[in-house]
Amino acid sequence: GAGVSQSPSNKVTEKGKDVELRCDPISGHTALYWYRQSLGQGLEFLIYFQGNSAPDKSGLPSDRFSAERTGGSVSTLTIQRTQQEDSAVYLCASSRGRTAQQFFGPGTRLTVL
Amino acid sequence: AQSVTQLDSQVPVFEEAPVELRCNYSSSVSVYLFWYVQYPNQGLQLLLKYLSGSTLVKGINGFEAEFNKSQTSFHLRKPSVHISDTAEYFCAVSDSGSQGNLIFGKGTKLSVKP
Repeated sequence: GAGVSQSPSNKVTEKGKDVELRCDPISGHTALYWYRQSLGQGLEFLIYFQGNSAPDKSGLPSDRFSAERTGGSVSTLTIQRTQQEDSAVYLCASSRGRTAQQFFGPGTRLTVL
Repeated sequence: AQSVTQLDSQVPVFEEAPVELRCNYSSSVSVYLFWYVQYPNQGLQLLLKYLSGSTLVKGINGFEAEFNKSQTSFHLRKPSVHISDTAEYFCAVSDSGSQGNLIFGKGTKLSVKP
């Protein structure tokens, strides 16, 4: 079956521009997570969605970052006014629930020039 | 808050030798523990996990890990490595009472040489 997909696979943008990153979770998975993988910080949790509940945004590094999940499926991570320190690989994962295995997508590599 | 320490950033080893990748965690609550592998230019894959029960956990590709609560460790082992095991390995923890978001270590790059 299909795994977690993310688009685009690579994104190069200029400092100050806004970007949107998309995640399509595995069908039927109610939990969705966004993580960021960068050289300096390693893998960091950003935000968590579970069904129709309010998301846990405790990992978002600044108010320039936001995410939404429409219809309990596709999620979009938006970064406004991008900065060079936002350059990283953004990973999405989904699971059937909080103790279930998280399946990771291939990631979106964001480069801010 | 939880944290994860992977003591070795790089581990070089010869093919067919045993390997141990070390992981220590800190937490004031009960946790779940995981090892993930990331092959070059690929996504993260789950190797194994500890939720409860037996402290010795067996995973894919011949890897195993042992949960030691007194030492707050979850070291990953394989008795004989292959060239194909060359990858980056991440230890992770989640609070058993939380929504399951993972706290990762910095990773250990395993390099298997012929």
